[in-house]
Amino acid sequence: QVQLVQSGTEMKKPGASVRISCTTSGDTFNNYYIHWVRQAPGQGLEWMGLIKPTSGDTSYAPGVQGGVTMTSDTATTTVYLQLSSLSFGDTAVYYCAREASSLGVFDIWGRGTMVTVSS
Amino acid sequence: SYVLTQPPSVSVAPGKTARITCGGNTIGSRGVHWYQQKPGQAPVLVISDDSDRPSGIPERFSGSKSGNTATLTISRVEAGDEADYYCQIWDSSTGLFYVFGSGTKVTVL
Repeated sequence: QVQLVQSGTEMKKPGASVRISCTTSGDTFNNYYIHWVRQAPGQGLEWMGLIKPTSGDTSYAPGVQGGVTMTSDTATTTVYLQLSSLSFGDTAVYYCAREASSLGVFDIWGRGTMVTVSS
Repeated sequence: SYVLTQPPSVSVAPGKTARITCGGNTIGSRGVHWYQQKPGQAPVLVISDDSDRPSGIPERFSGSKSGNTATLTISRVEAGDEADYYCQIWDSSTGLFYVFGSGTKVTVL
C-alpha cells in the first residue's frame, strides 16, 4: 500500500524555523509530484506548492510568502517543507500529498504534521 | 484569486441523499475532484475528474457537473459519512495552481 510518512508534531517560537519531512516509496519519489497543503485550525485546505522530487523543481502558490522552501533528498526518497521566520499565523497542520499522474488530483495523502507557533 | 464556492453546511437524515455543490467560473472546462475529511484525519479522495470513483470508495458516492457547477451526491447517507467535503480543481491556464473550495460540513441528523 502506497504511503506518505510524515514527521511528528512540532512546537516552535515566533521567528524560528521548522523543517517537516514526508518520506515516500521509490516509485512515488521517481514518478510523481509531491504537494504540500496547509490547514489552519478550524479552516479549510490551502495549496502551498509542489516539488518534482527527482529534479527538485518547485512551484509555489501565489499567496505563499518567501519563508517557504520545498526540497528533496534522493538518497532517502524524502521531501521536505521548510518554514522560516515563523509567526503565529503559521500554526496549522501541514499535509504532503501525491499528485496522481499529473492529473491535478491528490490520490495519496500523508497523515499531516501539526506545527504550533507559540511564545 | 480563483474561488470555488461551496455551501458551508448540509444536513441530511440517515438513508436520505445529500448533495453538495461547488461553483466556479471555469469549472465547466476543468476536472473537479472531491475529498472527504473526517475530524483529525487527512483528506481522502472520493471522486476524481467530475465523476470517477477511486477503488474502495462506496458506490453511494457519485459526482456530476453541469455548466459551472459540480455536485457531489451521497446516496443512502450513513452516520459514518459525517465529515467535511472539499472540491478542488487544477488550472494551468493562468499559471500552475491548485484550488480548493471552502468546504462543506455534512451533518447526519
